Amino acid sequence: QVQLQESGPGLVKPSQTLSLTCTVSGDSISSGSYYWTWIRQPAGKGLEWIGRIYTSGSTDYSSSLRSRVTVSADTSKNQFSLRLSSVTAADTAVYYCARGTRGRSQFDPWGQGTLVTVSS
Amino acid sequence: DIQMTQSPSSLSASVGDRVTITCQASQDISKDLNWYQQKPGKAPKLLIYDASSLETGVPSRFSGSGSGTHFTFTISSLQPEDTATYYCQHYRNLPITFGQGTRLEIK
Repeated sequence: QVQLQESGPGLVKPSQTLSLTCTVSGDSISSGSYYWTWIRQPAGKGLEWIGRIYTSGSTDYSSSLRSRVTVSADTSKNQFSLRLSSVTAADTAVYYCARGTRGRSQFDPWGQGTLVTVSS
Repeated sequence: DIQMTQSPSSLSASVGDRVTITCQASQDISKDLNWYQQKPGKAPKLLIYDASSLETGVPSRFSGSGSGTHFTFTISSLQPEDTATYYCQHYRNLPITFGQGTRLEIK
């Protein structure tokens, strides 16, 4: 079955760039039926959609994060990545990667999530 | 941005109870709505898509309805394993947004 796994540093200093990678198994990120997305969740709070990348390489981002976020993909490794610049404590959260269905944005499956703490 | 407002924010019910959660969209989203279940320390799980379609493998006690701006999510007979937080999510346009969540506990 399709599985996603997030990886990256669990601690990032303020003003630096958060970088995470999602490795996909059981499906190709080049599959045209889906897109690949990042979602985050601060502790004890709700879910916030961050952005997505299509197989074409086109991207969409949350309006509130657009100036700081980049989602990219490496099809040779079947991975996609998140970069969030100029982080502050407000960016501390569990970050999830997920597969989204084109046109209907059903997020399934999800990675297990990875906690990123922004602190000096 | 479309705002999704869930109610209640939390509730407690007994095993076997019928439980209903509502989700109100700030503008018409047709049926472009999904429901997720999130258990503590776990990623969300898709339960309902397109407002009322049951995801494969999800028990039939879960159901969804609604269109436009008003949606409901129902558990027909609450089971102990249904303890979780439930989220609605629209995909009518960007940005995709979620409701704030409804925490469901078993009495």
